[in-house]
Amino acid sequence: DGGITQSPKYLFRKEGQNVTLSCEQNLNHDAMYWYRQDPGQGLRLIYYSQIVNDFQKGDIAEGYSVSREKKESFPLTVTSAQKNPTAFYLCASSFGQINEKLFFGSGTQLSVL
Amino acid sequence: DQQVKQNSPSLSVQEGRISILNCDYTNSMFDYFLWYKKYPAEGPTFLISISSIKDKNEDGRFTVFLNKSAKHLSLHIVPSQPGDSAVYFCAASGGNNRLAFGKGNQVVVIP
Repeated sequence: DGGITQSPKYLFRKEGQNVTLSCEQNLNHDAMYWYRQDPGQGLRLIYYSQIVNDFQKGDIAEGYSVSREKKESFPLTVTSAQKNPTAFYLCASSFGQINEKLFFGSGTQLSVL
Repeated sequence: DQQVKQNSPSLSVQEGRISILNCDYTNSMFDYFLWYKKYPAEGPTFLISISSIKDKNEDGRFTVFLNKSAKHLSLHIVPSQPGDSAVYFCAASGGNNRLAFGKGNQVVVIP
């Protein structure tokens, strides 16, 4: 079955620690995205990538880093510079065409210990 | 500055009745609008979309209306079913593949 897989489902971070969230898709999509959702808030774009080896900052990129070495994979690292990392993180993908819907993964809940 | 706004964060409706969700946007460059449905601890799933060249799009129980002059769209669900209880997000894009999302509306359908 085609889809987007995010792992882990739940993740805990200690102070000063970097953690990496995994996102893999087998939909043959060119574009991938990372969004953050806070309680009572909409989804805010962290980073996006429209093609392998290229990515752009979204609206709230500070404290995060990404890589896009493979078409199928777009991992997100939450660095120690992100002072308020507790949130629900959503990965999405699309073919990258204009006016196209995004397909979302099931999300990772990150909490700080 | 939020470009997509969803007021009335929660809505309760009796099963079988109509649910109406509203969304306003400020960016006149937006030309494609989507509604997503989200259950707790899951990713959003696409529900319905509309292009700015249309003013209505219908898919089964779901209809989206677009009023470009008012920069307003609405989602109608009729008849509402208990499985429709979820958070609904309005989203918009202006041709750059970056979706701007509203804060969401919680819908509770009472059996």
